[in-house]
This record gives sequence, C-alpha cells and structure tokens, in this order.
Amino acid sequence: DSGVTQTPKHLITATGQRVTLRCSPRSGDLSVYWYQQSLDQGLQFLIQYYNGEERAKGNILERFSAQQFPDLHSELNLSSLELGDSALYFCASSQSKGGNTEAFFGQGTRLTVV
Amino acid sequence: AQKITQTQPGMFVQEKEAVTLDCTYDTSDPSYGLFWYKQPSSGEMIFLIYQGSYDQQNATEGRYSLNFQKARKSANLVISASQLGDSAMYFCASDAGGTSYGKLTFGQGTILTVHP
Repeated sequence: DSGVTQTPKHLITATGQRVTLRCSPRSGDLSVYWYQQSLDQGLQFLIQYYNGEERAKGNILERFSAQQFPDLHSELNLSSLELGDSALYFCASSQSKGGNTEAFFGQGTRLTVV
Repeated sequence: AQKITQTQPGMFVQEKEAVTLDCTYDTSDPSYGLFWYKQPSSGEMIFLIYQGSYDQQNATEGRYSLNFQKARKSANLVISASQLGDSAMYFCASDAGGTSYGKLTFGQGTILTVHP
C-alpha cells in the first residue's frame, strides 16, 4: 500500500458527461501529480500541484482541470468526455516541490467512456 | 524535453536467473533523477528504485539494482534471482529540471515474463 488513495477505482460514463476523480496524498506529502495512462499515448504527465498551487503543467486538455485543497487532497475534473478519454488516471504524491525524490502512486481510477 | 527509450517490448527470464531491462534517456539538464516502476496486471504503479544524476554509486534496493552509465545516458534495471511475482510491466522514468522539476517522463515499458 503506497499510502495514496484514489477514488473511485472504476468509473463508467457516457460521452459529453463530466466526472471528478479524487486523490488523497500520503501523509505529509505536499506535491500531487496527475498522470494519464492510455494504450496509444502511454503514461503522460498531466499536472502537478504543490501545497495548493499549480506547479507544472503537461499535456492536459483544456476540458480537464485540477485543484488541490487546503487539506492537500486533489481533484481532477474531466468534462465534455470523449471516447478517447478512456484511460487509467493515476495520482502520485511526493514530499518535495521538485524532483530527486520518488513519487508514490495510487491504485488509479479506470475511466471508461461509452 | 526529456525522452526515455525502452527498446525491449518484452523480455523472458527463467525463475532464479538475473535479467536486465534496458533504458536510455535524453536530457540536457545537469541535474535529474532516474526511476524504475513496476506495474503488475492489477494496474498499480509500484516504485522500485531511484538514481540521482550526481550519485557516484549505482543504486540498489534488495534484488533490484540500477546500472547507471552517465556517459552513455543509460539506466538499466537489473533484477537478480527472478521470481514468478516479478512478471509485470516495468517502466523507466526521469524527472526534468527547471520549473518542471518533479514531473516524470516515462518510457513505453517492458513486459517481463518469468518462467518457472
């Protein structure tokens, strides 16, 4: 158990809908990262928050947004969903603002858009 | 931009033997970290080992060791005494420098199958 909790584990929704994925980082970790894993794109970094503020942005679509709350949990909001958004979404957390330390991953949320 | 290359889509190894999974990276940043993660069929990502670019010695964690050759920009994972439970997808990753420090760039992965 990595200590990172993601809910829900599975999500099935229709095209055009909006969903929210939730992540609770390990106790004491201030950085939260979101990644998307799909068959065609592999594992891609989406966005990072550090202590409530956006720190780095990757290939995140405009239809997607994220935030980190004062209690450090984070939510990833996906809207106007398309079939191609079906993927495994991971949250990871680490202690540091930057790198040179391992990030621990949650179990992922498997999103299926039908 | 960072790029991670894993050239072995699949590898097979006999139980109790050692196996090396290849990883090369491309970065212009002087400071970076190299990571290996394991993803079993259940889907979770499990951290295995970390090597910093300034570390003089190769990292080791139990049966895992990282063969770090900076001049060649390679960071191969060596698993000694393979076990059936080692069958999984393995990802090499690197974090970037500058303002994206901490963001991981992943390779495409290598599927390892351990035969009894």
